[in-house]
Amino acid sequence: NAGVTQTPKFRVLKTGQSMTLLCAQDMNHEYMYWYRQDPGMGLRLIHYSVGEGTTAKGEVPDGYNVSRLKKQNFLLGLESAAPSQTSVYFCASSSPLAGGTGANVLTFGAGSRLTVL
Amino acid sequence: QKEVEQDPGPLSVPEGAIVSLNCTYSNSAFQYFMWYRQYSRKGPELLMYTYSSGNKEDGRFTAQVDKSSKYISLFIRDSQPSDSATYLCAMSRILTGGGNKLTFGTGTQLKVEL
Repeated sequence: NAGVTQTPKFRVLKTGQSMTLLCAQDMNHEYMYWYRQDPGMGLRLIHYSVGEGTTAKGEVPDGYNVSRLKKQNFLLGLESAAPSQTSVYFCASSSPLAGGTGANVLTFGAGSRLTVL
Repeated sequence: QKEVEQDPGPLSVPEGAIVSLNCTYSNSAFQYFMWYRQYSRKGPELLMYTYSSGNKEDGRFTAQVDKSSKYISLFIRDSQPSDSATYLCAMSRILTGGGNKLTFGTGTQLKVEL
């Protein structure tokens, strides 16, 4: 059971280039998320999805687009990379816990380290 | 002001010490509270979660929540070198349509020395 798999693990881009980060989960989770982690800022939510074919903005969505064409995959795109997007990107997925509280436990991938020059 | 405040450390303790990690928060809408552990160059992994005020114990770990003071803590007993990691507190709200939005602290870096 692989859990949440992110590809690529590392990437270096030049300003203005585009790229896509892929996240795949094999736990049949409904919800998926993309976070970025920066020193002193913690993890911040970029976009999320509550099901196949749906996406929504998080707290730092500008400069990113996402798609969830299949339940198990969540793609994060950078159309025109900027140095401010240098970060470590984490994908996560979740499903509600038993008990009906609405609580979810997120399972994270290992991260994708992106540098924009 | 950040919604969640956490001392970044680093915190260095000898093996066997009791470690106390803390977070404060400002938003009363947070519904439940988590602690994640993150090893260097890895993704966060869930340690514990709690839904109400009080204590929850799991082995050497105890999570404590005081909603009236908006303060949460994680205690680690008999700390081991393998506990050396960054500990992230996280607070959760339920999103419209399902799923949870976690707001994270910046993390406290812990080193347990032999």
